[in-house]
Amino acid sequence: GDSVTQMEGPVTLSEEAFLTINCTYTATGYPSLFWYVQYPGEGLQLLLKATKADDKGSNKGFEATYRKETTSFHLEKGSVQVSDSAVYFCALIKAAGNKLTFGGGTRVLVKP
Amino acid sequence: DTGVSQDPRHKITKRGQNVTFRCDPISEHNRLYWYRQTLGQGPEFLTYFQNEAQLEKSRLLSDRFSAERPKGSFSTLEIQRTEQGDSAMYLCASTPGGRKGFYEQYFGPGTRLTVT
Repeated sequence: GDSVTQMEGPVTLSEEAFLTINCTYTATGYPSLFWYVQYPGEGLQLLLKATKADDKGSNKGFEATYRKETTSFHLEKGSVQVSDSAVYFCALIKAAGNKLTFGGGTRVLVKP
Repeated sequence: DTGVSQDPRHKITKRGQNVTFRCDPISEHNRLYWYRQTLGQGPEFLTYFQNEAQLEKSRLLSDRFSAERPKGSFSTLEIQRTEQGDSAMYLCASTPGGRKGFYEQYFGPGTRLTVT
């Protein structure tokens, strides 16, 4: 079945550091890919998405590129802030399906 | 647009009791999803509705679980004879349907269930 694997956390960084969270997927067909973020005490929020190969999703300084050849969708941010401390989830959805398949989540802690 | 709401936010129950959760989707969203998230894991799909029709159920949804969306608006998720393994966060999401909204699901804050 479909699956998403992302690097385990926690990831601890200093403010203004570069952040990368690796995400790879296994799926038949052509899934759409997402990054969701969960801030402390809040619900899941869509951070960015990409619906086809080579698409780049971006939002709030975060970026991720859909790489079909490596089945990856790594999340990056050039300069993190304390407010980026959260749990980040990589996910996919199949074009013909309706449910999101999530990775296990990566906790990021940014220290001042 | 008030967002997806869920009630209650927290529920503590004793093993063997029945519990019911409610989800109110964003107005006019015709698709509604239920997910379960255990501690330290990503959410897992349970079931989804298109209007009032329940179109798919995960194998995670045992016979003790039942979900309804009687008028195509709010939904309820009931767990009968709760077990300690049911302790989790139960998430609800909705989407407007149609091609643009098909992929983007909006999540509620979740109901945290603790079975003692």
